[in-house]
Formats: sequence, structure tokens, C-alpha cells
Amino acid sequence: AQSVTQLDSQVPVFEEAPVELRCNYSSSVSVYLFWYVQYPNQGLQLLLKYLSGSTLVKGINGFEAEFNKSQTSFHLRKPSVHISDTAEYFCAVTDSWGKLQFGAGTQVVVTP
Amino acid sequence: NAGVTQTPKFRVLKTGQSMTLLCAQDMNHEYMYWYRQDPGMGLRLIHYSVGEGTTAKGEVPDGYNVSRLKKQNFLLGLESAAPSQTSVYFCASSYVRADTQYFGPGTRLTVL
Repeated sequence: AQSVTQLDSQVPVFEEAPVELRCNYSSSVSVYLFWYVQYPNQGLQLLLKYLSGSTLVKGINGFEAEFNKSQTSFHLRKPSVHISDTAEYFCAVTDSWGKLQFGAGTQVVVTP
Repeated sequence: NAGVTQTPKFRVLKTGQSMTLLCAQDMNHEYMYWYRQDPGMGLRLIHYSVGEGTTAKGEVPDGYNVSRLKKQNFLLGLESAAPSQTSVYFCASSYVRADTQYFGPGTRLTVL
């Protein structure tokens, strides 16, 4: 079984500043990792995913994440945030069976 | 191409009442999922389906039933609603397991 820990429940950040959202997972098998974003009153949409290959993954809207197997982490970063990045971000992990396990979420609040 | 749609968007029930939530996808996906989202808990899998005519239990299946009579539809039923089932319900679908899931806009359910 897998589990996911998002280390910050809320991250306040100023516009044009960088942001990092931390995600750690535990699993006894190979995993696939995802970051989803949820804008207010909407469903979730995929930001990026790691299935295999390069450990640095680039996603939509300028986000990227790095898979670190030794530290069992998959932290999400953006070098310069916009007001429109205000949203809740979810890290998720699955094994080959495909049942996603989500973290509790990190609320990002971007202020001018 | 509507993607994943959910009906209804909002619903208020009294304890003991029953209802069915409908999820429809037009992407010809084999896999479909029902999640519930509660504050501070991320999304938790209720039931899922790996193809037409199949269903399986997820992490929190008690009090819910599902059916997948047609490939494009996945129904979630509450036979006797309880206040603990007050939540936001999301449906998702994927083409293959262990890959991107596409989410609907959600149904906000309140049980009084």
C-alpha cells in the first residue's frame, strides 16, 4: 500500500516569487507520481506526472517536479508564480494497479 | 468533446433518503472512479470500475453502491444517506490504469 504526505497545508507566496510544494510518499513497490491542481469550485486537472525516464518532469503553466527515489519525494516547483496560480495542489501516487492515493492537499495563496 | 460530466451539481438530502449520482464520459475510457473530497483529507476512492459490467471497492465503500451498465456511464448510489456522507463527490476516468485520470466538475452533496 502507498501513502502520500504533503508537508504544507497552506503556502502563502507573493506574486512573481518562486514556490515549492513538498510531497513525500511511501511504497514498497515501483510507483507512478502525479501532481493535480484544483481551482476554486472545479474538478482536478493534471499538472504533470512521472511514469518513468527522466526524473525532472515539466508540466503545464511553468511547473516542474523532480522525482527523488532515495528520498521518496516528488516536490513541485515554479520559479515565478502568478495570481492565477492560487489553487489547491494535490500530490498522488499509484502502483501498477492504478488506484490513486492522494495527499491532503496544499493550498497556495498568491498575493500581489 | 465534453470530457467527464456529473449530474447533479448540487443536492441536499435528508437523513435516510436515497439518491443516485451520474457520471458520463465521452472519451471511450475503460476505467472509471468515484472519489469523495473532504477538507484536509484529499480525495479518497469510493469505488472503481475496470470496464463495462465490472465494479470494485475502493478505500471508503461503506454506504455506497455503484453500477457500470454502459461503458460511458458510472453511477454512484446512496441507499440511505447519512450526515457523514456530506461531501464533494468527483468522478474520474482513464484510458489505462496507472495513468492520467480526467475528473468531472464534482457534485456537492449535503445530508441534513
